[in-house]
Amino acid sequence: AQSVTQPDIHITVSEGASLELRCNYSYGATPYLFWYVQSPGQGLQLLLKYFSGDTLVQGIKGFEAEFKRSQSSFNLRKPSVHWSDAAEYFCAVGSYNTDKLIFGTGTRLQVFP
Amino acid sequence: GAVVSQHPSWVICKSGTSVKIECRSLDFQATTMFWYRQFPKQSLMLMATSNEGSKATYEQGVEKDKFLINHASLTLSTLTVTSAHPEDSSFYICSAGSYDRTGLHNEQFFGPGTRLTVL
Repeated sequence: AQSVTQPDIHITVSEGASLELRCNYSYGATPYLFWYVQSPGQGLQLLLKYFSGDTLVQGIKGFEAEFKRSQSSFNLRKPSVHWSDAAEYFCAVGSYNTDKLIFGTGTRLQVFP
Repeated sequence: GAVVSQHPSWVICKSGTSVKIECRSLDFQATTMFWYRQFPKQSLMLMATSNEGSKATYEQGVEKDKFLINHASLTLSTLTVTSAHPEDSSFYICSAGSYDRTGLHNEQFFGPGTRLTVL
């Protein structure tokens, strides 16, 4: 079955610390992978996406993610977290031959000063 | 990037009434739009896929007579919650799909969401 797993429901980090949000997927076709961020009461903003090519993808706001096919993972990283990064983060998977995205359950990030 | 708007951003209605939510792609033509529902502190659940000029495709378990979707133009899709009840209260988010020159799926652009509260 196709699915996306975000093992961490809630993560708390100090401002300036590094961050890694985990994402694992199970998908039959070649995956397109996405990370979105959602602030409270808002829609989703795309942070980055992977379709093909270089497995290390750079996104907005200083985020990056690495696609590891052997581990079926697409973890999101940021070297130094800012207080404004506090939000809900969603990993999603799709494919070139489907319009649908499958979302993970999300990871809520809290940032302490 | 592409901009998708939703209107209204929030709505409160009485039980039994119908509510219409609009989703517009402001600067691109969206042949496909998607409607999601999000419960508090949960992920997005796809309700239906809407293609311009044709009937929407509903996900399993979503009542098509309850949630009417119309995609009348390349820039507008509407979701009407008919005879709304308190259990329909939720955050509804739409997105519009974009495609590359070969017609392959590229990414979805999300609207800001509509908070529906049914009293």
